[in-house]
Amino acid sequence: ETGVTQTPRHLVMGMTNKKSLKCEQHLGHNAMYWYKQSAKKPLELMFVYNFKEQTENNSVPSRFSPECPNSSHLFLHLHTLQPEDSALYLCASSQGAGGEDYEQFFGPGTRLTVL
Amino acid sequence: GQSLEQPSEVTAVEGAIVQINCTYQTSGFYGLSWYQQHDGGAPTFLSYNALDGLEETGRFSSFLSRSDSYGYLLLQELQMKDSASYFCAVSYYGQNFVFGPGTRLSVLP
Repeated sequence: ETGVTQTPRHLVMGMTNKKSLKCEQHLGHNAMYWYKQSAKKPLELMFVYNFKEQTENNSVPSRFSPECPNSSHLFLHLHTLQPEDSALYLCASSQGAGGEDYEQFFGPGTRLTVL
Repeated sequence: GQSLEQPSEVTAVEGAIVQINCTYQTSGFYGLSWYQQHDGGAPTFLSYNALDGLEETGRFSSFLSRSDSYGYLLLQELQMKDSASYFCAVSYYGQNFVFGPGTRLSVLP
């Protein structure tokens, strides 16, 4: 595997389900990100991890819970979601060293549908 | 807060030149990036400007004016495969990014 991978690629869940999205990067990067991409809305940065430490949480509801066990893996745990949470969830990574960091590498995304 | 503006759609013909503008309002600005996203695909990095001026990468060039909080992506010798959405993104303190709403480019034969 190369680059940034995400599983599953598609997920349908009910509002009472609990599921997790997984992201893995094979680039030796130290920063990882979760984004939400909804139709007709800009990419929204949700969470940022730098060297496994969460550095940003952009007012994301608590029904989304990130986990970063190491610099190569990132999870997004989902529970009690709402239909408006249906979107494409993208994971990205970057070099991440605390200074200027401008190039992000994105995974293919997980298309989530909440019924 | 942070906000960026881009045109929602641009249409051009093969072989033409097109410019996609981006204006931003942000604090703690590091630089302006551009990403391309084909339908059903992931965003891919195109270019980055931290300093004023023009950066050229093959058929694509990007420009930044920090004093005007403005930048643009210039695509030359358009090809059908350039049909995609293009996003500008501001990077600021730490690893934080704000993306623009995206510009959908349609290249016609």
